[in-house]
Amino acid sequence: GENVEQHPSTLSVQEGDSAVIKCTYSDSASNYFPWYKQELGKRPQLIIDIRSNVGEKKDQRIAVTLNKTAKHFSLHITETQPEDSAVYFCAARDSGGSYIPTFGRGTSLIVHP
Amino acid sequence: EPEVTQTPSHQVTQMGQEVILRCVPISNHLYFYWYRQILGQKVEFLVSFYNNEISEKSEIFDDQFSVERPDGSNFTLKIRSTKLEDSAMYFCASSKETTDTQYFGPGTRLTVL
Repeated sequence: GENVEQHPSTLSVQEGDSAVIKCTYSDSASNYFPWYKQELGKRPQLIIDIRSNVGEKKDQRIAVTLNKTAKHFSLHITETQPEDSAVYFCAARDSGGSYIPTFGRGTSLIVHP
Repeated sequence: EPEVTQTPSHQVTQMGQEVILRCVPISNHLYFYWYRQILGQKVEFLVSFYNNEISEKSEIFDDQFSVERPDGSNFTLKIRSTKLEDSAMYFCASSKETTDTQYFGPGTRLTVL
């Protein structure tokens, strides 16, 4: 089955800095990669996703890049703000077989004011 | 914007007792899911449900677990005889299609004493 590794487990940055979270996946058939943000005690919320037919996608301060050859994808947050502090989960899904996403272990992002 | 809802938000039970966790998926969604998240760990898939049948289930979803759609709006997860290791946050999710984004509910924190 799919295996998703996520790094780092904790990331601490100053407000205004950029943050990068990296994930690797094992199943070359995976073709959909969502990112979820989970604030303390709240539900995971989708913040951005990317499909395997594109290499990069941006939404304001958030961007995701995908390298299919290397089987890794990354979340980039620019100009971080304290409200970006949360746990971020990456996931990978193979839409040709199981539609169930496999999640990474999560990255706790702390943005210091 | 419609959201997945879950009740209760927190359930405390004694080991060996049965619990039922309830979810109301987004109304025009057809696919329903249960996940669990042990404290500090990643989100793990339990089961998916479509057209009143289980579509997929993980190794975690053993005979102690069952799911049901008792009426047109609710989707329930039953744990027949709870164990200490069942203590976790349980998330319900729903999607329109298997290839669409899954939207998560706020979760039920289950504590087994």
